Amino acid sequence: GAVVSQHPSWVICKSGTSVKIECRSLDFQATTMFWYRQFPKQSLMLMATSNEGSKATYEQGVEKDKFLINHASLTLSTLTVTSAHPEDSSFYICSARGGAKLQPQHFGDGTRLSIL
Amino acid sequence: AQTVTQSQPEMSVQEAETVTLSCTYDTSENNYYLFWYKQPPSRQMILVIRQEAYKQQNATENRFSVNFQKAAKSFSLKISDSQLGDTAMYFCAIQPNTGNQFYFGTGTSLTVIP
Repeated sequence: GAVVSQHPSWVICKSGTSVKIECRSLDFQATTMFWYRQFPKQSLMLMATSNEGSKATYEQGVEKDKFLINHASLTLSTLTVTSAHPEDSSFYICSARGGAKLQPQHFGDGTRLSIL
Repeated sequence: AQTVTQSQPEMSVQEAETVTLSCTYDTSENNYYLFWYKQPPSRQMILVIRQEAYKQQNATENRFSVNFQKAAKSFSLKISDSQLGDTAMYFCAIQPNTGNQFYFGTGTSLTVIP
């Protein structure tokens, strides 16, 4: 149980393109979803927290107009990197948690984004 | 504020041996959860074990166990009978009761040597 699917796993696109990444909880309802960014050999950096049906809460320093997050249902959240540039190239990971607050987060497989 | 410190960037262990990964943290919260996650080369984050701060008994999960010292704010992970598949980055994390956020350490890269 507690499977989180993230798609796509790898995307390469030109500078200026907008890229959408999907995060789905397959067998549970995710009341809260999280988006992380991870640079090579570094830890996960939380970008934003989203609760179903409400606006995402962004961490300090994360541009909300650059990284659009939508959590329209209890099983789906999307991250759109708008007008992507090479410095946006990174590994993006989503996680989801259902129910009680003090529960583990279940992670997707991550998306490798490469902007040319 | 919460901080998590993993002081061992890299470690190695011989197959079938035991290894301990250290983690210390700082928090002003009274209730929180502590987690160890594993990130193999596939880069998927996998939950290894978790500990509730109000429980004194150390959590165990098959070959994985923790040594939770609440007063010292220490949460080390012991891996017994190490296997090649244990090769991965290991992240320690804390989640305080008052918030949603996980706070991760910088990770320890563990290599199991055949």
